[in-house]
Amino acid sequence: AQKVTQAQTEISVVEKEDVTLDCVYETRDTTYYLFWYKQPPSGELVFLIRRNSFDEQNEISGRYSWNFQKSTSSFNFTITASQVVDSAVYFCALSDGGATNKLIFGTGTLLAVQP
Amino acid sequence: DAGVTQSPTHLIKTRGQHVTLRCSPISGHKSVSWYQQVLGQGPQFIFQYYEKEERGRGNFPDRFSARQFPNYSSELNVNALLLGDSALYLCASSLVGRGTEAFFGQGTRLTVV
Repeated sequence: AQKVTQAQTEISVVEKEDVTLDCVYETRDTTYYLFWYKQPPSGELVFLIRRNSFDEQNEISGRYSWNFQKSTSSFNFTITASQVVDSAVYFCALSDGGATNKLIFGTGTLLAVQP
Repeated sequence: DAGVTQSPTHLIKTRGQHVTLRCSPISGHKSVSWYQQVLGQGPQFIFQYYEKEERGRGNFPDRFSARQFPNYSSELNVNALLLGDSALYLCASSLVGRGTEAFFGQGTRLTVV
């Protein structure tokens, strides 16, 4: 069975601090896809990144970076120099890319960035 | 370009009633999925539709149904509402293909009283 675990329920940081959000996944598939979404208070899930199981290259996009390690089944997300606008719930999700592209979400991490 | 649009944004219904939620996908996206997000939890997959056919269904009772129209918009119907159906219902659209990213609407907040 597929599963995504986000052990950090809530994280509070002060602006300009770096913060890492953890994501651990379980799957028996050799081909799978990992995603991160941001959910601000408005409710809409905002797509941040997709990574397939064959691409373990880390990625950096501005202040955001992602560390994918198949050996530990982790796909962690780091925000550098956090800002108040980063405050939101962040979800990690897994898909087997099958017929439905169904996403299995973790329970989310609430990030609060204090000014 | 317009993103995924859902209507209504908020809804209050009484137990036992029926509700219809609507979704318009991003132009060019032929696949639509529905998710239920209970407060404090991650979204749970309900349905996926492609070319007007149901391609996948999550672990939800038969009170939940959906359909997709020729213009790729979609409706989610829930019959005999229960208090536990209170949630944020999210619609997502995507291009066809393995592992393609899903783009979500702002959701419909359903409250059952």
